[in-house]
Amino acid sequence: DGGITQSPKYLFRKEGQNVTLSCEQNLNHDAMYWYRQDPGQGLRLIYYSQIVNDFQKGDIAEGYSVSREKKESFPLTVTSAQKNPTAFYLCASSRYNEQFFGPGTRLTVL
Amino acid sequence: GQSLEQPSEVTAVEGAIVQINCTYQTSGFYGLSWYQQHDGGAPTFLSYNALDGLEETGRFSSFLSRSDSYGYLLLQELQMKDSASYFCAVRVNAGNNRKLIWGLGTSLAVNP
Repeated sequence: DGGITQSPKYLFRKEGQNVTLSCEQNLNHDAMYWYRQDPGQGLRLIYYSQIVNDFQKGDIAEGYSVSREKKESFPLTVTSAQKNPTAFYLCASSRYNEQFFGPGTRLTVL
Repeated sequence: GQSLEQPSEVTAVEGAIVQINCTYQTSGFYGLSWYQQHDGGAPTFLSYNALDGLEETGRFSSFLSRSDSYGYLLLQELQMKDSASYFCAVRVNAGNNRKLIWGLGTSLAVNP
């Protein structure tokens, strides 16, 4: 089955540690996105990539970093510089006007 | 700045019809999307309107008026499984790329 996978579903980290969230897709989509969702809120764009080896900052990029070395993979690193990292992180890819989402990773920083 | 407004909560009964409105203020508008998200889950695509008018997909329809910067999602013959959050999102220009700007979501509760 084609789709987007994110792992793990739940992740716990201590404050001050960097953590990398994985996102893999086998839909052959060029564009990929990372969003953050806080309780009762909409999705806020962290980073996006329209093509391999290229990515752009979204609206809340501070404290995050990404790479896009392969079409299938778009990992997100939450660094210790991110002040409030506890949130639900969603990865998506798009074809035309539709975005397809992975199941998300719920990150809790203790 | 860019912003979208939609009601925070809507309640309806099974079998009824509900309309969720969305007004937007954005630059470089390309189209209006609607997504459904159940608690704890990921958003799933419902519809996309680039031109004025009504698009119908089964029990769900979506409308856009570009001149009024307004759209709505119409859900008919409501079922319990329609209880979820519904987000409008505007597709806008971002330099040489395009991205989505999201509303805060409308929580729909369908009661028996």
